[in-house]
Amino acid sequence: EVQLAESGGNLVRPGGSLRLSCAASGLPFSTDWMTWVRQAPGKGLEWVANIAPDSKITNYLESVRGRFTISRDNAKKSLYLQMNSLRVEDTSLYYCVTHNNWRFDYWGQGTLVTVSS
Amino acid sequence: QSALTQPASVSGSPGQSITISCTGTSSDIGAYNYISWYQQHPGKAPKLIIHDVGVRPSGVSSRFSGSKSGNTASLTISGLQTEDEADYHCTSYTTRYTYVFGGGTKLTVL
Repeated sequence: EVQLAESGGNLVRPGGSLRLSCAASGLPFSTDWMTWVRQAPGKGLEWVANIAPDSKITNYLESVRGRFTISRDNAKKSLYLQMNSLRVEDTSLYYCVTHNNWRFDYWGQGTLVTVSS
Repeated sequence: QSALTQPASVSGSPGQSITISCTGTSSDIGAYNYISWYQQHPGKAPKLIIHDVGVRPSGVSSRFSGSKSGNTASLTISGLQTEDEADYHCTSYTTRYTYVFGGGTKLTVL
C-alpha cells in the first residue's frame, strides 16, 4: 500500500520560512515524479511544484518561483519543499502527491501551513 | 496561468446523470489530452477518478466518464448515488510544463 506522510506545517509570520517533508512508502519512489499540491481553506486545488525522479528537472507555479524549492532524497524516500518569504496567500493544506504519466496517482493527507501575523 | 473554469456547484437526484464542465484555453486543455479528474470528500484527500481525458483507473466505477471538445473537458456521472456527493476537481497539463486545476465543483445529490 502506498503511503505518503507529510510533516512540517506550522504557523509562521509573513516573510518567514518553513520546510515541509514527505515520507513515502509502498512505492519505488526513485522512479516516481513527485509533486506538491496545495489547497487554501474552502478553496480549490493548486499545483505548486514537481520534480523528476533524478532531480534534474523541477517546475514551479509562477507565484512561488524563486521563493520555494522542491527537492528529494531517493535514498530516504523523502520529498521536501523549502518555503521562504512566505506570504499570507500561501496559507494552505499542502499535499505530497505521486505524479506519473501526467496524472496524480497517490495523495498524502496534507500538512497545514498558516501564514499570519 | 489562470485556473480552469468549473461551475461552483451542480446537483442531481439519485439515479440521474450530471455533467461537470471544465473550460481552459489552447495552452492547456486544448493543447493536450493530459486531463484528469479528482473526487474529494469533506476532510479527505483527493482521489483520481479519470485520467487522459476519459480513462478510469482500476477500481473506479464505470458510472464515471470523461470527454473533451476543444478547450473544454467534461466529467459525467451516471446513475447518481448518495456517495457521489463530493467536490470534483479537473486539471490539465500546460504548454509551460506546469499543471493548472479548476476551482472545483461541489456536487449535491438531492
